[in-house]
Amino acid sequence: DIQMTQSPSSLSASVGDRVTITCRASQGIRNDLGWYQQKPGKAPKRLIYAASSLQSGVPSRFSGSGSGTEFTLTISSLQPEDFATYYCLQHNSYPQTFGQGTKVEIK
Amino acid sequence: EVQLVESGGGLVQPGGSLRLSCAASGFTFSSYWMSWVRQAPGKGLEWVANIKQDGSEKYYVDSVKGRFTISRDNAKNSLYLQMNSLRAEDTAVYYCARDEEGCSSTSCYPLGMDVWGQGTTVTVSS
Repeated sequence: DIQMTQSPSSLSASVGDRVTITCRASQGIRNDLGWYQQKPGKAPKRLIYAASSLQSGVPSRFSGSGSGTEFTLTISSLQPEDFATYYCLQHNSYPQTFGQGTKVEIK
Repeated sequence: EVQLVESGGGLVQPGGSLRLSCAASGFTFSSYWMSWVRQAPGKGLEWVANIKQDGSEKYYVDSVKGRFTISRDNAKNSLYLQMNSLRAEDTAVYYCARDEEGCSSTSCYPLGMDVWGQGTTVTVSS
């Protein structure tokens, strides 16, 4: 199975901060990676697909980059509604696997 | 509006069975792979299984192989998860999700899960 190692597991940030979350795959997955946002009690919402493509309707402050084994989700200017948990997901091979999540909290 | 609505969750004893359903609307259900994803209380997301458009291919995470069966009825726009021999560690919110595909002139390739239901809760306890 491909292991997805996400870091950090949590972070504290202020409104307006630039935030970066990283996912590392245990083997190359091309660009077969998505990023998801989940708020408490809600279903996940996809932000990024194919490592760097912005999901329709998602604000442009979210961006993704990377290929192979190293991937990054960046929030250019953190907004109050962005406080949530973020997950990466690889769908290059079965079983599909998620990172363990990054909880973004208010500083 | 594209929508997925899960149902069928509840409290079941260890060793028992439960069948989850997911009703799809607002899109051509028969054109998409579909997945089940679960989330144990206070934990992260875990992909459970998915099924091809015509049901001819199915994949499972190892922890549910031989116990869970994914199926679909395209005439009813519905996805199912039959869960047998349930264990305490199967306790979770179960989400159904649509698997998006991109296609070139020669082949199609997965793009990950783009639409999710609101989830249904399964509790395995005596």
